[in-house]
Amino acid sequence: GAGVSQSPSNKVTEKGKDVELRCDPISGHTALYWYRQSLGQGLEFLIYFQGNSAPDKSGLPSDRFSAERTGGSVSTLTIQRTQQEDSAVYLCASSLVGTSRLPYEQYFGPGTRLTVT
Amino acid sequence: EDQVTQSPEALRLQEGESSSLNCSYTVSGLRGLFWYRQDPGKGPEFLFTLYSAGEEKEKERLKATLTKKESFLHITAPKPEDSATYLCAVPPGGATNKLIFGTGTLLAVQP
Repeated sequence: GAGVSQSPSNKVTEKGKDVELRCDPISGHTALYWYRQSLGQGLEFLIYFQGNSAPDKSGLPSDRFSAERTGGSVSTLTIQRTQQEDSAVYLCASSLVGTSRLPYEQYFGPGTRLTVT
Repeated sequence: EDQVTQSPEALRLQEGESSSLNCSYTVSGLRGLFWYRQDPGKGPEFLFTLYSAGEEKEKERLKATLTKKESFLHITAPKPEDSATYLCAVPPGGATNKLIFGTGTLLAVQP
């Protein structure tokens, strides 16, 4: 079946511009996650969606970052007034949510490479 | 503080030379440990989930094991196509909705 898709695959923007990154999760996955991977750094959690709500936004680095999810499916991560330190690969993942307290595995998309010049 | 540490940072093997990658973790109440493989320019690819100490999972040349403090990814008779970065991750204490990742082990298998 289709995996997680993300668009665009690459985005180059000028400092101060706004950008929108899109994630299309695996069909049927109610949980959706955004992570950021900077050069030489591990993956860093940004935000978690359960359906259309985001009960955990603890990883968003500043109020310039926001995300939404509509129809329990597609999600958009928006970065306003981009800065050079925002340059990174932004990864989206999705998973099932079970009734147990154990986490399911997350399936990742190919990522969007953001370069802020 | 919840933490995941992987070693070595990089490993170079000859084809057929078996070895192990280490993932040590500090988290209260482990609720699972995940192994991923990441190829350059791609997102992480899920390999294994281990939920309790003593558990083992195998897939082709890979075998993952878990103790109360660490996990090992054993690679038996590796091939060049096993070259990738291997990542491990755990949910932070009390959480199931996010993962803390190690910085990975970059594995290069030479023919």
